[in-house]
Amino acid sequence: QQPVQSPQAVILREGEDAVINCSSSKALYSVHWYRQKHGEAPVFLMILLKGGEQKGHEKISASFNEKKQQSSLYLTASQLSYSGTYFCGTVPLGNTGKLIFGQGTTLQVKP
Amino acid sequence: KAGVTQTPRYLIKTRGQQVTLSCSPISGHRSVSWYQQTPGQGLQFLFEYFSETQRNKGNFPGRFSGRQFSNSRSEMNVSTLELGDSALYLCASSPLGGGATGELFFGEGSRLTVL
Repeated sequence: QQPVQSPQAVILREGEDAVINCSSSKALYSVHWYRQKHGEAPVFLMILLKGGEQKGHEKISASFNEKKQQSSLYLTASQLSYSGTYFCGTVPLGNTGKLIFGQGTTLQVKP
Repeated sequence: KAGVTQTPRYLIKTRGQQVTLSCSPISGHRSVSWYQQTPGQGLQFLFEYFSETQRNKGNFPGRFSGRQFSNSRSEMNVSTLELGDSALYLCASSPLGGGATGELFFGEGSRLTVL
């Protein structure tokens, strides 16, 4: 039931791009993305709703393939501040109160 | 606007004891979700409360329980603590209903160590 994220870890240089993938075995209502910096609470980045509506975050975008129950988070021209652990969360169809997170992808951006 | 407040922030217990953690959501938020975070396991869903009713429950044993009060404040309780219960317990609130309606606002968590 827990969505699967890949890769588990990424190391980038400033200015490079990264893609984080999230895959679920269940039909989804929405996909969420959060970022957690070390020692801090997770912070909302964006939500992608069934039907294509997207709410975004500056310089970070995402896609949601409803048929495949897959989402990808795109980080372009990465900055040092992008470092942290990224979690995708999925809300299944028919149970919109339940947000289940993947195991996380650790992103490290180096100067 | 005050954020989500969790107390206590840190606590140490021994095996067999019980613990109660508290969460005060953002004013006006009626949904409170609880998550357990451990290295390698990510954020594991415990339960979600909305208007004092438990609407959703994760795959945790019955030792984990919770409740929500009329002012939306929530508590979770873990009885007969085990070493594996050592974790960061995060609470998140949202205005209407869990994750479907948008952003969850997380507290900074309660870090439980079981010795």
